[in-house]
Amino acid sequence: KAGVTQTPRYLIKTRGQQVTLSCSPISGHRSVSWYQQTPGQGLQFLFEYFSETQRNKGNFPGRFSGRQFSNSRSEMNVSTLELGDSALYLCASSLGIAEETQYFGPGTRLLVL
Amino acid sequence: GEDVEQSLFLSVREGDSSVINCTYTDSSSTYLYWYKQEPGAGLQLLTYIFSNMDMKQDQRLTVLLNKKDKHLSLRIADTQTGDSAIYFCAEMNYGGSQGNLIFGKGTKLSVKP
Repeated sequence: KAGVTQTPRYLIKTRGQQVTLSCSPISGHRSVSWYQQTPGQGLQFLFEYFSETQRNKGNFPGRFSGRQFSNSRSEMNVSTLELGDSALYLCASSLGIAEETQYFGPGTRLLVL
Repeated sequence: GEDVEQSLFLSVREGDSSVINCTYTDSSSTYLYWYKQEPGAGLQLLTYIFSNMDMKQDQRLTVLLNKKDKHLSLRIADTQTGDSAIYFCAEMNYGGSQGNLIFGKGTKLSVKP
């Protein structure tokens, strides 16, 4: 069974640009969560989608948005990039909400110059 | 406000028990989680406990929850060198219709042979 895949793995952007990251969950999983990890702020929760609906949301500005498609694949978008958006973005999938088992992808490392 | 506190470092000898502690502030938390991140590896959900439980055991892992003191702990029995990692505690709380997952800064566990 293929694991959680994230594309691209690495990305360099400049301030003011926008970026879209993709996450393909494990087959059959309907929940996808997104996280940001930085040395300064640590791990932060962005949002969780289940059956194409955002179910949970962290404290991020509106520049951060996401969506989930009918095949459970998810994308997150960051508009008007800032230097502080440089981070490792992780996604995870699970069968449903609040599952005991959650699988993480390898992450997308975003550098904003 | 929402806050999750953990000590930053813990060092134990192989074969000893490790106890990683966490305090949280939001009494409306529903689920409390423990994650593990090994050097160079991805994030892993270890276990979670629902807020109406006091204890949960899973093989070498024991989670204890003291709701009165808002204290969560993770005990690892017979700690092995492979347990060396950063352990993150997190609380899921629902301020409104959606939940926010708040992470601690992580406890780096070093296991000495």
